[in-house]
Amino acid sequence: DAKTTQPPSMDCAEGRAANLPCNHSTISGNEYVYWYRQIHSQGPQYIIHGLKNNETNEMASLIITEDRKSSTLILPHATLRDTAVYYCIVRVAVTQGGSEKLVFGKGTKLTVNP
Amino acid sequence: GAGVSQTPSNKVTEKGKYVELRCDPISGHTALYWYRQSLGQGPEFLIYFQGTGAADDSGLPNDRFFAVRPEGSVSTLKIQRTERGDSAVYLCASSPQGWSNTGELFFGEGSRLTVL
Repeated sequence: DAKTTQPPSMDCAEGRAANLPCNHSTISGNEYVYWYRQIHSQGPQYIIHGLKNNETNEMASLIITEDRKSSTLILPHATLRDTAVYYCIVRVAVTQGGSEKLVFGKGTKLTVNP
Repeated sequence: GAGVSQTPSNKVTEKGKYVELRCDPISGHTALYWYRQSLGQGPEFLIYFQGTGAADDSGLPNDRFFAVRPEGSVSTLKIQRTERGDSAVYLCASSPQGWSNTGELFFGEGSRLTVL
């Protein structure tokens, strides 16, 4: 699975959009981009995932560049409860011979300030 | 509905002792994972079960670590002769069959192990 690079920390003002970048320059054509987050003292929580197209759900939007070498997770209106560590993971779908496991890096510590 | 349940939430033990950590997955989930997380690090994969069998145990650090899932539901992570370096939060996650299409693993809140 391709390696990802994320900034160790970011700050965001409450109510503003939080844009979390992730570089995955060695991503292969059949690797998905997954985002999870981990609020203090809790287990990781799935946010969103995508392959090529931009994706949106009730939690966030995922913007993947055309060359797929990087992506951005967008929290449109950050709240204090969004303070967490955000993990970007790339992985081949199991149906295409990929591993069943998710490999986490260190992630980005996002702090939402009042 | 009930999520993934892990017990105990906290365990303090002495070096050299034996420890068991339990995971109750979401009902009906066939896949079960164990991860461990040290302070300031992301979760580190240990082992993955599909049903009763360990499909991938490549993350177990050494033979002091063992996990079972005899009936394909509850799983127990067993650590023998604990060492101070085993201190971490042990996370369990489960998912339904075919989860890879949705990308969603459901994690418990973890068991914090402290080895004195």
